[in-house]
Amino acid sequence: DAKTTQPPSMDCAEGRAANLPCNHSTISGNEYVYWYRQIHSQGPQYIIHGLKNNETNEMASLIITEDRKSSTLILPHATLRDTAVYYCIAETGTASKLTFGTGTRLQVTL
Amino acid sequence: DTAVSQTPKYLVTQMGNDKSIKCEQNLGHDTMYWYKQDSKKFLKIMFSYNNKELIINETVPNRFSPKSPDKAHLNLHINSLELGDSAVYFCASSQMGQGAEKLFFGSGTQLSVL
Repeated sequence: DAKTTQPPSMDCAEGRAANLPCNHSTISGNEYVYWYRQIHSQGPQYIIHGLKNNETNEMASLIITEDRKSSTLILPHATLRDTAVYYCIAETGTASKLTFGTGTRLQVTL
Repeated sequence: DTAVSQTPKYLVTQMGNDKSIKCEQNLGHDTMYWYKQDSKKFLKIMFSYNNKELIINETVPNRFSPKSPDKAHLNLHINSLELGDSAVYFCASSQMGQGAEKLFFGSGTQLSVL
C-alpha cells in the first residue's frame, strides 16, 4: 500500500468549494486512489476513486496529477453536512484491505 | 432498506464475558469485512471473508472469531472480553472484481468493556 499524506484539518465556508489535497508519491501503477469520509458517529462512506484520469460523480470530483503522485478531492459547494473526516487511500483493487490513515478533518462553517 | 446492518448498536459488558456482533448485507456482495476503530479514531481491518472463506486475517487475538454462515452474513464473536477491546466495530461489504472495490460500511457497534 502506498503511504498517503493529508493535512490534519481544513476549514471551508458553506457554499464554497472544498479542495482536499493528498500526497501519494510512492503510488504504484496498479494502485487506485480512493476517497472515503466519516461523519461523526457514522461508518465511513465511499466518495470516489480513480486510477489515472480525473473522475466526477454526484458527490465530488477527483483530480489526479499526471505523475499520479498527488490528488485533490473537490466538493464543489460544501454544506454543513459535509463536515467530516476525509480519508485518502492508495490501494490495489483486488482482495484489497483498505488502510485508513488519520485523514483530514474538514469543518464547514457558516 | 439498510444496505449493511449491524446489531447491536451499543454493547456494554463486563470483562471476561463473551459477546457477539452480527452483520448482514443485502447488496448481494461476495466479500465482507470487520474493522475496528479505537479511541484515537484509527480504523484498522481485522478480517475479510470472500464467499464464506477467510481471506484476510490481520494480527488479531484468537479471542476474536469471525463466522460467515453465508455470504450475506458475517458475525464476530469475542471471548473473554478485555478492557482494550473497547472500540467501535464496523462491518463492511464489497463486490470483489478485477478493478477497484467500493466498501459499504455499517453504522458501527460501540463496544464498552467495564
